[in-house]
Amino acid sequence: QSVLTQPPSASGAPGQRVTISCSGSSSNIGSNTVNWFQQLPGTAPKLLIYNNHQRPSGVPDRFSGSKSATSASLAISGLQSEDEADYYCAAWDDSLNGRYVFGTGTKVTVL
Amino acid sequence: QVQLVQSGAEVKRPGASVKVSCKASGYTFTDYFMHWVRQAPGQGLEWMGWINPNSGYTNYAREFQGRVTMTRDTSISTAYMEVSSLKSDDTAVYYCAKDKAVGPSTADHWGQGTLVTVSS
Repeated sequence: QSVLTQPPSASGAPGQRVTISCSGSSSNIGSNTVNWFQQLPGTAPKLLIYNNHQRPSGVPDRFSGSKSATSASLAISGLQSEDEADYYCAAWDDSLNGRYVFGTGTKVTVL
Repeated sequence: QVQLVQSGAEVKRPGASVKVSCKASGYTFTDYFMHWVRQAPGQGLEWMGWINPNSGYTNYAREFQGRVTMTRDTSISTAYMEVSSLKSDDTAVYYCAKDKAVGPSTADHWGQGTLVTVSS
């Protein structure tokens, strides 16, 4: 089961700002960087944010990430219909010989 | 451009094994770790482990130790992931994903996924 907790859903109207939280512990978010993935329906996940706040080439600057202590968040500003997807946070966990843990996932709906 | 092309869907009986392949192109295969992640129907993502294609060294998630084997063939830039003693709850889409950095960091390119169905 996931050790990173996210809200199951979030929504907003086009143009609005949506924020997704990711809560972890000292062994994962507290001591490692956080990454975020976007998964459009029926497709493979796509890296959206890495090292807490960095965007891979091609990811719009509407997406931003931040981290504080054992929590992280993803913000989507200027929400667009194509942002409707599942979003997962992820981080390395230093317990149990090191493992990569994903969040529970958040479904974003554009109203 | 980086591409990871996985083998096709599989249907297996409980107790059987399945081996999924992941052919890489567009980068130097031995320079980046390869992760395997699975997603059960309607569920979230679950990390299974990684393989260092250069050395063949592996690191498996505890839940999969003893039942999962990750290998590679550097001559054809292909990674493999085999799951043995399949159970119905192994039914999932299995993804390979290339690491972003030289050491294990995060996955920046993903394969298209391989659906493995375990059913009697």
